[in-house]
Amino acid sequence: AQSVAQPEDQVNVAEGNPLTVKCTYSVSGNPYLFWYVQYPNRGLQFLLKYITGDNLVKGSYGFEAEFNKSQTSFHLKKPSALVSDSALYFCAVRDRTAGGYNKLIFGAGTRLAVHP
Amino acid sequence: DAGITQSPRHKVTETGTPVTLRCHQTENHRYMYWYRQDPGHGLRLIHYSYGVKDTDKGEVSDGYSVSRSKTEDFLLTLESATSSQTSVYFCAISDAPTGTSGFVQYFGPGTRLTVT
Repeated sequence: AQSVAQPEDQVNVAEGNPLTVKCTYSVSGNPYLFWYVQYPNRGLQFLLKYITGDNLVKGSYGFEAEFNKSQTSFHLKKPSALVSDSALYFCAVRDRTAGGYNKLIFGAGTRLAVHP
Repeated sequence: DAGITQSPRHKVTETGTPVTLRCHQTENHRYMYWYRQDPGHGLRLIHYSYGVKDTDKGEVSDGYSVSRSKTEDFLLTLESATSSQTSVYFCAISDAPTGTSGFVQYFGPGTRLTVT
């Protein structure tokens, strides 16, 4: 079965330190991977995606993600965290059993707390 | 949230009553989706649409129906609301996937539904 796992419910980081939010996936074939962020009382906002190409993908707000095929991971990273980065982060993978239909499978989410 | 509106944004209803949530887009995207968000579950797909009058079930479709009579509108109906349907409901849209584009889903601001 296809799935996405975010092993940490919460990540705590001091402002200015690097942050990593972890994501692992299980799909057949080449994965299409996504990161979204959700601020309180808002919808999800797209951060970045990996479809093909370079394993290091750069996205919005200084975030980047590293695709690692051998470890089936797609961790979200930022070199220097800001308090304003505090939010709920979701990893997602395209459902390859859906054929031509564009469906995503979401992880349960990781809450990032950046402390001053 | 640009280009996607949801109404109402908040609703409290009683068990057994029908409820309809509306999603409206101005992006002319082909695909539309309804998700529910619950703590510990991430986002779960209820129904999706791949064109006018073309809809299909997601992973948690029991108790829900949808309709899409126009490209821009996607309605979610709870035929007889239950307390287990208390949740935050998100609409999303995406364009038809071609090549490496069109796979990103864009989300509306959400509707918080409470069934008492």
